Amino acid sequence: KQEVTQIPAALSVPEGENLVLNCSFTDSAIYNLQWFRQDPGKGLTSLLLIQSSQREQTSGRLNASLDKSSGRSTLYIAASQPGDSATYLCAAPSGGNTDKLIFGTGTRLQVFP
Amino acid sequence: DTAVSQTPKYLVTQMGNDKSIKCEQNLGHDTMYWYKQDSKKFLKIMFSYNNKELIINETVPNRFSPKSPDKAHLNLHINSLELGDSAVYFCASTRQGAGELFFGEGSRLTVL
Repeated sequence: KQEVTQIPAALSVPEGENLVLNCSFTDSAIYNLQWFRQDPGKGLTSLLLIQSSQREQTSGRLNASLDKSSGRSTLYIAASQPGDSATYLCAAPSGGNTDKLIFGTGTRLQVFP
Repeated sequence: DTAVSQTPKYLVTQMGNDKSIKCEQNLGHDTMYWYKQDSKKFLKIMFSYNNKELIINETVPNRFSPKSPDKAHLNLHINSLELGDSAVYFCASTRQGAGELFFGEGSRLTVL
């Protein structure tokens, strides 16, 4: 049974810092892993989707890595901005079923000016 | 154009009532989901449909009945609402096997 854990649960940093959000999963038989962003009162926005054959994926200031053997993924945010403040969630498929995603509890990020 | 749209966005109702939430996607996806996000922000899958066929049913009380009239629509009907049903319900869609999930804005249900 897939379980997804994210640490830290909350993070508060000054603008400009580079930061790393961590995600761990128990079942490494995954085809992909996905990172999302959720703003208060809003739905989830897909940030990055990493296929199991990839080790990392980049989009602008975001870089996500995937290490299946250790059951870990990290989301790196470079030069953080107040607009990055949101909750970040990672999700991994359950039991090899790519269409059933198990979500972590999220990291609530606040970037202050 | 909104890719995944849900209505209503807010729903306040009394215990024991029956209510429905509707979802539509215009992305041409074949798989749709309902997720529930509780007060602690934990997001959990409830149902998934592929081409109108129920694929996933995650131990949800049978007061919850999803219906997919076509692959672009997935509705959720809830009978005999209970206090514990208060949550935000998210609809999502994907193309089967592609992996990337697209979410609606959520429907906040409050049961009094």
